[in-house]
Amino acid sequence: DAGVIQSPRHEVTEMGQEVTLRCKPISGHNSLFWYRQTMMRGLELLIYFNNNVPIDDSGMPEDRFSAKMPNASFSTLKIQPSEPRDSAVYFCASRHAGTSGKNEQFFGPGTRLTVL
Amino acid sequence: AQTVTQSQPEMSVQEAETVTLSCTYDTSESNYYLFWYKQPPSRQMILVIRQEAYKQQNATENRFSVNFQKAAKSFSLKISDSQLGDTAMYFCAFMKHDGSWGKLQFGAGTQVVVTP
Repeated sequence: DAGVIQSPRHEVTEMGQEVTLRCKPISGHNSLFWYRQTMMRGLELLIYFNNNVPIDDSGMPEDRFSAKMPNASFSTLKIQPSEPRDSAVYFCASRHAGTSGKNEQFFGPGTRLTVL
Repeated sequence: AQTVTQSQPEMSVQEAETVTLSCTYDTSESNYYLFWYKQPPSRQMILVIRQEAYKQQNATENRFSVNFQKAAKSFSLKISDSQLGDTAMYFCAFMKHDGSWGKLQFGAGTQVVVTP
């Protein structure tokens, strides 16, 4: 299995630009999570989906952030407009929420976002 | 709300020695899961070990073992026979077992440095 795939791995953009981060979960997984990691705040859950439906987006910092999951194999996290304080590493993780599952989340390699 | 506390920002250990990382958590739940994740310099998040709260037996995975004290709400990780490749940030994480689709709450992390 290829694991969770994220793209791009690195993104440098200027303040005010739109940024789109992409995630492909592990095939067969039905839960998907977006996290943000910064030195100041550590790992924060932004939003998560179950069966492509957003369950909890209370971690999304502002209306500038939006996430979609149009199908079971793809999700996007969009920031529009981006600001320097959005600079962070963004992780996507997936999990199979089954009764016999080990409840483990598998993480992608992350996208390092720098907003100048 | 659950909180996860890792009180040791950094630990240093010599190769082949043993190091123990502490983690405490606060919850009113009776059924939950606890995890230790490792994040090496590559920043990939890797599951090290998991513990189900209903199991009294402490989990072990090769050189990694936990000391789970449910009443004290403590979940420490012991790394035996430390290797240079164990150098990483280690995160303790909590997950309720209530159908909340696997939402993880992370601690701030402990940086482990293994020296030759």
